[in-house]
Amino acid sequence: GQNIDQPTEMTATEGAIVQINCTYQTSGFNGLFWYQQHAGEAPTFLSYNVLDGLEEKGRFSSFLSRSKGYSYLLLKELQMKDSASYLCAVWGTGANNLFFGTGTRLTVIP
Amino acid sequence: GAGVSQTPSNKVTEKGKYVELRCDPISGHTALYWYRQSLGQGPEFLIYFQGTGAADDSGLPNDRFFAVRPEGSVSTLKIQRTERGDSAVYLCASSLGGGSGNTIYFGEGSWLTVV
Repeated sequence: GQNIDQPTEMTATEGAIVQINCTYQTSGFNGLFWYQQHAGEAPTFLSYNVLDGLEEKGRFSSFLSRSKGYSYLLLKELQMKDSASYLCAVWGTGANNLFFGTGTRLTVIP
Repeated sequence: GAGVSQTPSNKVTEKGKYVELRCDPISGHTALYWYRQSLGQGPEFLIYFQGTGAADDSGLPNDRFFAVRPEGSVSTLKIQRTERGDSAVYLCASSLGGGSGNTIYFGEGSWLTVV
């Protein structure tokens, strides 16, 4: 079977750094994705990792360890507009769809 | 178009009625996906099209749900005899190529409420 675990909710302060963790168990692995979803809106693509290591893109970075079935999304210099749900999703080998976790709802406070 | 377009954005229907939800993918994208998302949950896979054919419909919950993509572009998700449990956001997504490893891009969703 497939399973993705991520915290349900997190709160962080404007200007700070927050790390959102994701662990997964899937049938094979062909990439891990992070999406951002504001309330009432569509998920938007943030990052993609297929090899171990850190991928940096502006204020956002994503890390992957395939041997541990683990990823994290790091958000720096938090802004109020970063309040949203962050979805971890995995492609299994030969899979026909991206499998999503339930998401982490991040609230940024002043 | 520039992005994935879905209509209607909101639909309220009575229990037992028939509903159609439409999706227009990003131009040139051969793969199209339908997902369903309930409040506080992640998107749940329903069906995947590669071109005109349904390559994987294993996520459709029962035979009341059906989807088509007759010309390999626009797709319609059809729900018969709607039930209150069908209330959710129905998300359409597309990707340039099909299958594992592709980045998928979502539309804004169709919010379905069955009363």
